[in-house]
Amino acid sequence: AQSVTQPDIHITVSEGASLELRCNYSYGATPYLFWYVQSPGQGLQLLLKYFSGDTLVQGIKGFEAEFKRSQSSFNLRKPSVHWSDAAEYFCAGLFRGGSNYKLTFGKGTLLTVNP
Amino acid sequence: DTGVSQDPRHKITKRGQNVTFRCDPISEHNRLYWYRQTLGQGPEFLTYFQNEAQLEKSRLLSDRFSAERPKGSFSTLEIQRTEQGDSAMYLCASSFSGSSYEQYFGPGTRLTVT
Repeated sequence: AQSVTQPDIHITVSEGASLELRCNYSYGATPYLFWYVQSPGQGLQLLLKYFSGDTLVQGIKGFEAEFKRSQSSFNLRKPSVHWSDAAEYFCAGLFRGGSNYKLTFGKGTLLTVNP
Repeated sequence: DTGVSQDPRHKITKRGQNVTFRCDPISEHNRLYWYRQTLGQGPEFLTYFQNEAQLEKSRLLSDRFSAERPKGSFSTLEIQRTEQGDSAMYLCASSFSGSSYEQYFGPGTRLTVT
């Protein structure tokens, strides 16, 4: 079955520290992959996406993600975290379901940033 | 450029009542999606429209749920005879079929069934 897994429910980092959020997928081919961020009570904002080509993709707010086919992973990184990055982060895959496309989300990783 | 909008943002209703939510997608987007998000979970797909045609429905969408997109623009999601288990955030997203499959989300409607 097609799925997206985010192994870490909650991560705490200090402001200025580096960040890596993990994401793994299960699919017979390479899905389209996305990272979204959600602030409390808000909708989801797209950070970055991977479809094909260069496996290191740059996004907004200084985030990047690396696709690794051998590990079925698409981890999100940021070299220096800011207090405003505290939010919930969702990895999502777009798998071909029937003749249409729908996003399958992981359960999310809640990021806390300590001053 | 306005993004995806949803109305209302919050709805509190008593069990057994009917509720209706509205979503206005980005104007040039012809695809519209509904997702449901419960506490501690990622959004789960409910249904999808291309223009006015409803092309896919999740098994999560019970008979009490109905969605429409009558003119291929805004969409409504109605829940009949609400149950406490329907309490969730209902998210709408839209995309353009000619683009790179990016879905843009609205702020959501938070439903509380008492």
